[in-house]
Amino acid sequence: NFMLTQPHSVSESPGKTVTISCTRSSGSIASNYVQWYQQRPGSSPTTVIYEDNHRASGVPDRFSGSIDSSSNSAALTISGLKTEDEADYFCQSYDNTNVVFGGGTKLTVL
Amino acid sequence: QVQLVQSGADVKKPGASVKVSCKASGYSFISYGINWVRQAPGQGLEWMGWISAFNGNRKYAQKVQGRITMTTDTSTSTAHMELRSLRSDDTAVYYCAKGTFDQALYFDYWGQGTLVTVSS
Repeated sequence: NFMLTQPHSVSESPGKTVTISCTRSSGSIASNYVQWYQQRPGSSPTTVIYEDNHRASGVPDRFSGSIDSSSNSAALTISGLKTEDEADYFCQSYDNTNVVFGGGTKLTVL
Repeated sequence: QVQLVQSGADVKKPGASVKVSCKASGYSFISYGINWVRQAPGQGLEWMGWISAFNGNRKYAQKVQGRITMTTDTSTSTAHMELRSLRSDDTAVYYCAKGTFDQALYFDYWGQGTLVTVSS
């Protein structure tokens, strides 16, 4: 089984751009799609990005996803930060038998 | 619109079983799989398994294999997850999540969550 490692927390000011990384421990990041989920306090997760770089329905184009084979990692980039973007963000991928989530990154917009 | 509405919170004693339901609406239930994900208090997300609403095929996470059963009822568009031999570390919010296609191990819509508390 592989692991997905995310930074525990990131913070940035409103209007700025932030990038959250997600590094796969073994196997290629490109071998299976990566998804990103947002979870605000007290709420269930919602899907932000699926299949590496596709925005889920209703997600603004301030959110984008990418993968980088050279660093074996995926990234979620949020531009024009708003206070409403403050949440936990989880990356997720899978292999033939298992689904793996990253530990989550707490985004603070201050 | 797609909705996944889960059953209410439950409290169980160690060793008991719990069954959580997830009623789907707003899409063709048999065309997509349902995954179950849980989240212990203050912790991250943990995948528990997937079931195809089309043919009932399943995959379970190794950690809960042998204690979990996922089923679907296509007549009511409802998925169920039963977890047996409950332990205190099974205390968590349990989510159902719709796959983006039948066999997808990633999700586009989530239920509101069901808190299961295991306590003596």
